[in-house]
Amino acid sequence: SQQGEEDPQALSIQEGENATMNCSYKTSINNLQWYRQNSGRGLVHLILIRSNEREKHSGRLRVTLDTSKKSSSLLITASRAADTASYFCATNSGNTPLVFGKGTRLSVIA
Amino acid sequence: NAGVMQNPRHLVRRRGQEARLRCSPMKGHSHVYWYRQLPEEGLKFMVYLQKENIIDESGMPKERFSAEFPKEGPSILRIQQVVRGDSAAYFCASSPPGQVNGYTFGSGTRLTVV
Repeated sequence: SQQGEEDPQALSIQEGENATMNCSYKTSINNLQWYRQNSGRGLVHLILIRSNEREKHSGRLRVTLDTSKKSSSLLITASRAADTASYFCATNSGNTPLVFGKGTRLSVIA
Repeated sequence: NAGVMQNPRHLVRRRGQEARLRCSPMKGHSHVYWYRQLPEEGLKFMVYLQKENIIDESGMPKERFSAEFPKEGPSILRIQQVVRGDSAAYFCASSPPGQVNGYTFGSGTRLTVV
């Protein structure tokens, strides 16, 4: 079953702008992860945030987690055309396999 | 370190044939996961394996699909008597025990059933 639900489904922005994607989930989690997928390629792990963390940074990426609302956001600052991809959140609960959302398709226009 | 290797990258099968998809995990990774992705969709979990053991196959269709991860060699996802609805991208991922740092994905096998 689909655990994470990303919104928006699609997002189009100008190069240099910030992109924010949201993810909601249903059950308690150990951690939440964000992945990126370029068209026709496999997924690349971007960042993992544990359930006891509220915010995490990695380069131009900022992830927040609100376990009371069962939601997370991924912010990409100063976007570039090369950031164009689909972004998926995935949740981990115990030793169960990751459950992925349907993704947000980000288009960054140069 | 070659990462997760999947082959073939593209596979075309006629209806009724068998499809065999192979996945070699990253060195040191003992956990393998298979996911299926339909166009414009997210990844749907199929099966989770460790060497010689199926840990969770709750996402596998009950018929025609099977998976193995033998002591030696790659993990194999096998689809018998393929139908058009099996056309999809099949991704394999691996992780060390504990999944602490997320999964490493292969580039996928795109199966087309004609």
